[in-house]
Order: sequence, then structure tokens, then C-alpha cells
Amino acid sequence: AQKVTQAQTEISVVEKEDVTLDCVYETRDTTYYLFWYKQPPSGELVFLIRRNSFDEQNEISGRYSWNFQKSTSSFNFTITASQVVDSAVYFCALRGFYGGATNKLIFGTGTLLAVQP
Amino acid sequence: GAVVSQHPSWVICKSGTSVKIECRSLDFQATTMFWYRQFPKQSLMLMATSNEGSKATYEQGVEKDKFLINHASLTLSTLTVTSAHPEDSSFYICSAETGGTEAFFGQGTRLTVV
Repeated sequence: AQKVTQAQTEISVVEKEDVTLDCVYETRDTTYYLFWYKQPPSGELVFLIRRNSFDEQNEISGRYSWNFQKSTSSFNFTITASQVVDSAVYFCALRGFYGGATNKLIFGTGTLLAVQP
Repeated sequence: GAVVSQHPSWVICKSGTSVKIECRSLDFQATTMFWYRQFPKQSLMLMATSNEGSKATYEQGVEKDKFLINHASLTLSTLTVTSAHPEDSSFYICSAETGGTEAFFGQGTRLTVV
């Protein structure tokens, strides 16, 4: 079965601090995709990144960076120099290979990040 | 990126009435659309998968007669909550894709049944 675990329910930091959001996944698929989404208070889901299982290169996009460790089934997300606008719920998600039985997007329980000024 | 429009953004209805929520892909043809439900401070739970021109596939525990899904065209899927009750109050969000690996999400609909 597929499962995504975000053990951190809530995190509170002060502006300019770095923060890492953890994501651990379970899947029997050999090919799969991992995602991070941001959900601000308004509710819409903002796509942040997609990573496929055969690309373990870490990625950096501005203040955001992602660390994909297949050996530990983790896909952690780090925000550097956090800002108040980063306050939101962040979801990690997993889906299997397109066309397969596990192609559904499975979400973690989310981490609420509160950045205090 | 691709744009998915969901309408309405919020709706209040009386108990016993039906509510229709629309999900449109504005600049691409969506072969598959997904409907999710999200309770406050909880994750998104997949309700059903909808493929154009065929019946939706519902997740276990989701009442098919309660949540009617129609995907009549490649750009439109609708979710109708029939005979709504207060326990149906929730945030409903759709996503659309065209056979790739990335789903594009609508803005969500906040339903309140009074």
C-alpha cells in the first residue's frame, strides 16, 4: 500500500529562520512521483515541485530546496530564511506510475507552518 | 501552468437541497479529473476519479448516490451533492490532468449546509 507520513503537525518559526518539513513515504512501486504542495489560508493548492523516483538529484529553487533520499524513503523540504508569506499548510504527496493501479495522488496529513514576524 | 477553474468558491445551502460544483480545465483537455474532500485541519481525501465519457470510480466509503459526478466533456466535470446535510459541509477541491504525471488543482469550494 502507498502511504505518506508527515510527522510534524505544526511548526512555528521566527522570520528569517530556516525550516525543514519532513516527508516519509511508503510504496511498492519501482517508479513513482513525489510532490510538494502549499495550501495557504485561501485554500487553493499551489504546486511546488514534482520529483520522479529515478532522479535523486536535490533541487533548489530560490529559498526552497528539496532533499530526496531514496534509501530512507524521504523527500524533505527546506525553506531558507523563512518569511511570513510562507505561512501555510504544506502537503507532501505520492503517486504511482501513470496507468498503474497506484496512480492516485496520495497526500500526507500536512504540516502547518507558522512564520512569526 | 495549466489552469483549472472551480465554481462556486463558496456556497451555503439549506439542508435537503442539492448543490452542484463545477470544475473546468480552461486551457487544456482533461481526460481525468479527481474530486477531493477536505475537513478542517485535515488532509485531502480522494472521493472519486472521473474519466471523460465514462462512469466515475468512487473510493471506498463514498456514497455514489450522494455525490454524483459527471464528466461529460474534456473540459468539464461536475460534482453534485444531493440532499445535502450539515455533515456534508466541507471543502471540496478538484484536480484535472491530461495523462501526465501532474495534476492541476482548482481553487476549491467551501460548502456549508445549514
